[in-house]
Parts: sequence; structure tokens; C-alpha cells
Amino acid sequence: GENVEQHPSTLSVQEGDSAVIKCTYSDSASNYFPWYKQELGKRPQLIIDIRSNVGEKKDQRIAVTLNKTAKHFSLHITETQPEDSAVYFCAASINDYKLSFGAGTTVTVRA
Amino acid sequence: DVKVTQSSRYLVKRTGEKVFLECVQDMDHENMFWYRQDPGLGLRLIYFSYDVKMKEKGDIPEGYSVSREKKERFSLILESASTNQTSMYLCASSLREPTNNEQFFGPGTRLTVL
Repeated sequence: GENVEQHPSTLSVQEGDSAVIKCTYSDSASNYFPWYKQELGKRPQLIIDIRSNVGEKKDQRIAVTLNKTAKHFSLHITETQPEDSAVYFCAASINDYKLSFGAGTTVTVRA
Repeated sequence: DVKVTQSSRYLVKRTGEKVFLECVQDMDHENMFWYRQDPGLGLRLIYFSYDVKMKEKGDIPEGYSVSREKKERFSLILESASTNQTSMYLCASSLREPTNNEQFFGPGTRLTVL
């Protein structure tokens, strides 16, 4: 099955700086790549996703890039704020609904 | 507003007990999922269902079974609970549409098996 690796496992950034999380996937047939954010004590929620026919997608301060050749995709958060502190999960899917998740990245934004 | 609810937030059971975790969604979603979440391991898919009475194994189905008798309800069953099944269990649901398949998660059930 699909194997998704996510790095780093923890990330501490100064408020206002950028944060980058990287994921690699194993199955070249994967075509859907969502990112979920889980705040402490809360449920995961989708924040952005990208499909394999697109190389980059942006939504305000967050952006995702996809490199199909290298089989990796990244989440970029600019101008980080305290409310960005959370665990972020990347995922990959072959068939649009069965997701394989990465292990998660705990992001801490220092004031 | 999508609502996915789970029957318990916290559950403590004894080794060997049969455990039922219930999940209900109110948005008429076709797909429903059960995950377990463990530190450093992310979310691992146990089972999913794409229709009533239909189920497929996920990545870690051993020791678990599921039941989906109604579209809105998806149950996870631990036939004989073991200590290594102590974990956070998350239910999720989604539409089957390829371009609109965001998964909506429940609040989770933290299960402790003693």
C-alpha cells in the first residue's frame, strides 16, 4: 500500500516567520494530497488539498506544492501566528477517498 | 454544518471485553472511516465503508471488525480487547464525489484497556 513519510516531526518557529513541512509518498498512482490540521484536544480539519494535475495551490497564508516526479509535496505557512500552533498531517490517496496519512508534524509558534 | 458524533469521549475496559464504538453522521455521507491515532504514528486506517453493509479493510484491521447497518451509523467492534488497543479512535465521513471528498472527523474516543 501507499507509504507517506513526513518531516520534521516537530517544528518551532518565531511568530512571523515561515514554516515548511515536507512529505514523500511511495505510490506514483497517488493523485490526491490533502493536509489536515489538528489543534490540541480537537478533531483534524482539512486546511488545503492539491490534485496531481496541479503543481501549486495557495489559500491566504498557506500554500502547497507538489512534485510528481520526485513524489513529494510540501506545506508552506507564511507569517506564522500563534493560532497556527497545531499538529499538521499530510496524506496521499490513489482513489480520492482512502487516505494514507503521514505521522504528523507538531508546529509551535513562539511569540 | 457537518456533524460527526462518537458515542463516548473516554472509555475504560478490561482485557478480553467486547467493546463497541459508535459513530453517527448527519450529512448523508456515503463513506465512513475508522482510524486510530497514536503518537508518532499519525492516523492509521482500520476499516472503511463506502455504502450500507459494505466494508473494506484498511491498513490495520487485525483485532477489529465493523458494522454498517444504516447509512448514518458506523460501528467499530473490538471482539476481545487487548492492552495494545489502548488508543485514540477517530471516526470520519465523506461524500463519494471525487472532487468533494473532504473527510469530516468526530471528536474521538480515548479507549484505555486495562
